[in-house]
Amino acid sequence: KNEVEQSPQNLTAQEGEFITINCSYSVGISALHWLQQHPGGGIVSLFMLSSGKKKHGRLIATINIQEKHSSLHITASHPRDSAVYICAVNRNGNKLVFGAGTILRVKS
Amino acid sequence: GAGVSQSPSNKVTEKGKDVELRCDPISGHTALYWYRQRLGQGLEFLIYFQGNSAPDKSGLPSDRFSAERTGESVSTLTIQRTQQEDSAVYLCASSLQEGQPQHFGDGTRLSIL
Repeated sequence: KNEVEQSPQNLTAQEGEFITINCSYSVGISALHWLQQHPGGGIVSLFMLSSGKKKHGRLIATINIQEKHSSLHITASHPRDSAVYICAVNRNGNKLVFGAGTILRVKS
Repeated sequence: GAGVSQSPSNKVTEKGKDVELRCDPISGHTALYWYRQRLGQGLEFLIYFQGNSAPDKSGLPSDRFSAERTGESVSTLTIQRTQQEDSAVYLCASSLQEGQPQHFGDGTRLSIL
């Protein structure tokens, strides 16, 4: 079993829909990251969180440390949100352990 | 530039050759990371630098892989005697300090023929 599990693996949504991507992890962590990888390969860090909730524009990330679970929400989704969303956790210092990613496609 | 810069962006080489990949982090960022992403797979951690020291080399897949960082700036990842399974996108990231968000470069796409 991977240390970081994401679901779903693939997600197709209609423009405007509310989207949730989930991440569960099995180890103790110091922080959890949500990353976005566009089709061209570039990776952007969306959030880094260790507790509670963070919001940036239409994106919201939450984490429940006790349940070892995080969610990334996208409100009012748009085709430009189409990308791979990757959950990663910090353990043993600065080493990041990555989930397999969720491929999101938003159709207009 | 303002971001993490990697070169070359693409590298095609024959099996058995040595390759060097370069990463220029954001100025002032003390932490630097190397990752690998093989086709259709997730990201893998390779090595992490704090300053010029590498406290964690646990991700280097074999002794053919090495990395160094000088001047608390540029880092090079060297792969000796390349094998076909080394084909991947090699990504570099930097952060201001340990535990801070990481900024990624666009990667070097390495293809071993």
